[in-house]
Amino acid sequence: GENVEQHPSTLSVQEGDSAVIKCTYSDSASNYFPWYKQELGKGPQLIIDIRSNVGEKKDQRIAVTLNKTAKHFSLHITETQPEDSAVYFCAANLANYQLIWGAGTKLIIKP
Amino acid sequence: GAVVSQHPSRVICKSGTSVKIECRSLDFQATTMFWYRQFPKQSLMLMATSNEGSKATYEQGVEKDKFLINHASLTLSTLTVTSAHPEDSSFYICSAEQGAGNEQFFGPGTRLTVL
Repeated sequence: GENVEQHPSTLSVQEGDSAVIKCTYSDSASNYFPWYKQELGKGPQLIIDIRSNVGEKKDQRIAVTLNKTAKHFSLHITETQPEDSAVYFCAANLANYQLIWGAGTKLIIKP
Repeated sequence: GAVVSQHPSRVICKSGTSVKIECRSLDFQATTMFWYRQFPKQSLMLMATSNEGSKATYEQGVEKDKFLINHASLTLSTLTVTSAHPEDSSFYICSAEQGAGNEQFFGPGTRLTVL
């Protein structure tokens, strides 16, 4: 079946440095790629998304890049802060509007 | 905008009882809602897709008679865990789709503990 692979599973960066999380997807028909942030005991929060008609999207310290040919997309967080510590999930859509989820990346920001 | 609420946030029940979880889209109409469960340190596992006014579509391996879903209006879907057992203990999360653009907005989740 279709799947989304996410790496790394854990990422530890120094406060102020950048963090990059990468995902690859298998369904060539996918055209919507959201990123969610989940804090402990809470539901996932949509932080940024990208559609297949663009290659990059930016929102302040967060950016997402998409390479449709290679079927991979990445989340970039610059100037990381302690409140960025959370689990981040990537996802890709299927034709029936469902999302296929990555396994998640635990981001740890070291002070 | 795009706020989804879930109630209750936490429930503890005895084995054999039924538990109902409500999911509401507060400021938009959601033709499609999704129910997920999540085990500790794992990703979200889709249980079922719920469309307003029609029967839910369950994922393979999810018992439809055990996890009853009702989507009676464009702003409310309910999940009832019937005859709950300890193995049903999990974090249940709903999401609502705002339009057909695939954006899913999630509720805060419900922590179910079955004793």
